[in-house]
Amino acid sequence: EVQLVQSGAEVKKPGESLKMSCKGSGYSFTRQWIGWVRQMPGKGLEWMGSVYPGDSDTRYSPSFQGLVTISADKSISTAYLQWSSLKASDTGIYYCVRHYGWELLIDYWGQGTLVTVSS
Amino acid sequence: QSALTQPASVSGSPGQSITISCTGTSSDVGSFNLVSWYQQHPGKVPKLMIYEVTKRPSGVSNRFSGSKSGNTASLTISGLQAEDEADYYCCSYAGAATLVFGGGTKLTVL
Repeated sequence: EVQLVQSGAEVKKPGESLKMSCKGSGYSFTRQWIGWVRQMPGKGLEWMGSVYPGDSDTRYSPSFQGLVTISADKSISTAYLQWSSLKASDTGIYYCVRHYGWELLIDYWGQGTLVTVSS
Repeated sequence: QSALTQPASVSGSPGQSITISCTGTSSDVGSFNLVSWYQQHPGKVPKLMIYEVTKRPSGVSNRFSGSKSGNTASLTISGLQAEDEADYYCCSYAGAATLVFGGGTKLTVL
């Protein structure tokens, strides 16, 4: 059974850094893209970017390029999403997603990680 | 890469059919038969309902169907049921290993 287990909720102050994780299991972690989707409070889904753990090829949405870093450690089947300096507007739920195939179909979702950034 | 355009809300009575549109461009929806639809109930994780424009994953009711014409994809729900009340999002492959979502549509079952 495919599972994506994300790290727990975070409460941060503006300017702080954050690195959240997503551990994949039940499939070949190195052979499928894994990505991140943001949902701001009361708003829609936004694809942020994805990484191919097999060779660390990473793609970003233009809206998130330069604002976050997506990476993966294939030795422990874990993907990461990190910020160097959070803003209040980064508050939201972040979902880890598994992609099926080169066309990046999202077929599995993690449980979501709530990030609250407030002074 | 702009978000795909969906109506903010649609509504229908039980038993009726509704259609949600999803308009993109020739760079995403129009170029690839790779549109998927997700259902999200409040406080829940999104669920895949349709993929590759018309295909249904195992376990999804055949009341859900998808189509596409040009740069616009559509999700149709027939025989509307109370449990269908949720937010629906379209998503399209946009080339070069990138994706774009629609803004979401809130479905209300009257």
